[in-house]
Amino acid sequence: QSVVTQPPSASATPGQRVTISCSGSSSNIGNNYVYWYQQFLGTAPKLLIHRNDQRPSGVPDRFSGSKSGTSASLAISGLRSEDEADYYCVAWDDSLSAVVFGGGTKLTVL
Amino acid sequence: QVQLQQWGAGLLKPSETLSLTCAVYGGSFSGYFWTWIRQPPGKGLEWIGEINYSGSTYYSPSLKSRVSISIDTSKNQFSLKLTSVTAADTAVYYCARGGMTGITGRIDYWGLGTLVTVSS
Repeated sequence: QSVVTQPPSASATPGQRVTISCSGSSSNIGNNYVYWYQQFLGTAPKLLIHRNDQRPSGVPDRFSGSKSGTSASLAISGLRSEDEADYYCVAWDDSLSAVVFGGGTKLTVL
Repeated sequence: QVQLQQWGAGLLKPSETLSLTCAVYGGSFSGYFWTWIRQPPGKGLEWIGEINYSGSTYYSPSLKSRVSISIDTSKNQFSLKLTSVTAADTAVYYCARGGMTGITGRIDYWGLGTLVTVSS
């Protein structure tokens, strides 16, 4: 049971906008940066968003991150079939003195 | 371009010690934290721990009693040891590059992963 909670699944049709939520507490999301990772089956994860809302070079601007209080969100606009993957939110937890991963959200493009 | 190449035994018996090493090619080795993460089959990612260039280590509370991460700065390598493994430790283990200023959850380069199976 992760201290950071994500919905296990999300789905949308191509072209739509989908949002994946990440809920934590004051000891993790509320007081630290949130990171988002994209993982395709059988491959290593890829950094998608850093410091809550910053995109690394090469990440399309269809991907955006936000944070408010103890929750964060990843939004994907103009959804494409190739966006079908697992998405994880991550933050440092001050109480645990550990990096905590959300349980992951499997995004299906219908 | 930063590349991480990892290796180690892929099949262990219960109670044995898991041992993996990761070599870093390209980029700065001294300026970063170096990380181990694992992923059981069909499940999510789990942070194991990190080490910096000075050898300071930080471990997951749930694994702390069994895990050890070390660094060899002369070879640009870092290693993971996990003792007394059980079937619950079966997972793909990734080495990765963490942040520069501290442990934040930022991981920007990953190894390909090593599947470690624990079975009698």
